[in-house]
Amino acid sequence: EPEVTQTPSHQVTQMGQEVILRCVPISNHLYFYWYRQILGQKVEFLVSFYNNEISEKSEIFDDQFSVERPDGSNFTLKIRSTKLEDSAMYFCASTPWAGDTQYFGPGTRLTVL
Amino acid sequence: SQQGEEDPQALSIQEGENATMNCSYKTSINNLQWYRQNSGRGLVHLILIRSNEREKHSGRLRVTLDTSKKSSSLLITASRAADTASYFCATDRDDYKLSFGAGTTVTVRA
Repeated sequence: EPEVTQTPSHQVTQMGQEVILRCVPISNHLYFYWYRQILGQKVEFLVSFYNNEISEKSEIFDDQFSVERPDGSNFTLKIRSTKLEDSAMYFCASTPWAGDTQYFGPGTRLTVL
Repeated sequence: SQQGEEDPQALSIQEGENATMNCSYKTSINNLQWYRQNSGRGLVHLILIRSNEREKHSGRLRVTLDTSKKSSSLLITASRAADTASYFCATDRDDYKLSFGAGTTVTVRA
């Protein structure tokens, strides 16, 4: 069964450094998402992406964040200058069409020191 | 807030028993999805129920939706140790982003 994959599984970085989290959505899916879960807290929506542009973004998704679909398979989340409070599990999700099941990847645990 | 809220926060049951958890939300939805998360791991999709549906089944899972009460329930029958996990409801309005609740932590004792 097709799955959403994410790399790396764990990323450790120094505060102020740039990180890129990578996702490969399910191949025939058209809508892509990033969510994050700070330890012990709820899963929070960050951004949705469709037709090569951002559909919606949350208040969390400020100018330090960006997303890109550089080719036909990868979907990336970049954090330009990481802060301690960016430490969280970041999940990528995809769905074939809006309003359908969102399939989540296994997550990337980001630790900012 | 659109977020679903699960009840109870934690549930401990004996293997073989049924587990029921509830989710309440505040505004109209397009659909409601239930996910399972094992400790520190990814979100596994369990079931999606649309706003015009009242009940769905998948294996040992039964989900109900009452849009008049803005609530949903997830029933796991004949629980197993492997069902030990956190369970989340997530609501999807017409904006197609999911709003998650805080989850119910289920522990199944052998």
